[in-house]
Amino acid sequence: AQSVTQPDIHITVSEGASLELRCNYSYGATPYLFWYVQSPGQGLQLLLKYFSGDTLVQGIKGFEAEFKRSQSSFNLRKPSVHWSDAAEYFCAVSGNTGKLIFGQGTTLQVKP
Amino acid sequence: GAGVSQSPSNKVTEKGKDVELRCDPISGHTALYWYRQSLGQGLEFLIYFQGNSAPDKSGLPSDRFSAERTGGSVSTLTIQRTQQEDSAVYLCASSLGVGRANTEAFFGQGTRLTVV
Repeated sequence: AQSVTQPDIHITVSEGASLELRCNYSYGATPYLFWYVQSPGQGLQLLLKYFSGDTLVQGIKGFEAEFKRSQSSFNLRKPSVHWSDAAEYFCAVSGNTGKLIFGQGTTLQVKP
Repeated sequence: GAGVSQSPSNKVTEKGKDVELRCDPISGHTALYWYRQSLGQGLEFLIYFQGNSAPDKSGLPSDRFSAERTGGSVSTLTIQRTQQEDSAVYLCASSLGVGRANTEAFFGQGTRLTVV
C-alpha cells in the first residue's frame, strides 16, 4: 500500500537550533517526493521536491532534504530555525499522475 | 489568474443542504485535484481530473460527493445532503499534467466548510 509516515506529530526547537523532520514512505513505483508547509489559516506552500538525480535537494527558506532509497526516507533539514518557521509541515509522495499521498503532518513550534 | 482560486473561502450550511465548491486552476494546467483536510483524517485525496475526465475518483467518501470539470478549466465539487462529518477544509490544486516535473501541484487557499 502507498503511504507516508511522519513519526513526529509535534516538535519544539529553540530559535537558531538545527531542525530535522522525518518522513518515511511506502510506494511501489519510482516516487516523487515533496515537502509542503502550511501556516495557520493558509494554503499549502511547496518547500522542495525530488524527482530524480541528486539525492540532496535544496528548497526555499533555507530548507533541504535528502532522499535515501535504501531507507525509504526523505527527511527535511534546516541548519538554523527562525521563529517564522513555526508551522505545520507535510511530507508527500506521488507518481506520474501527480496524485499526492500525504503524511499526517508535523507541527513545529519555535521557542525564543 | 496567477494562482489557483477557490470560492467561497468560507461556507456555513445546514445539515441536509447541498453545497457547491468552486476551483479555478492556473491557466494552462490540465490536471486538477481535490483534497480534504480535517482534524481527524489529515489531508486526503478526493478526485483527480486530467482535462475534463476523472481517471481517479477513488477518494470520494460516498455517493453524496461528486465533481465535474468543464472546458478543461473550472471544477465544481458538489456535496449533497451535507452531514456534520463533511465539515473540513476542501483544497484544490492544479498542475501542468502528467509525468515527472509536470506533476508539481499548486494549491489554492481552500474552502472551509462548516455543517451545522
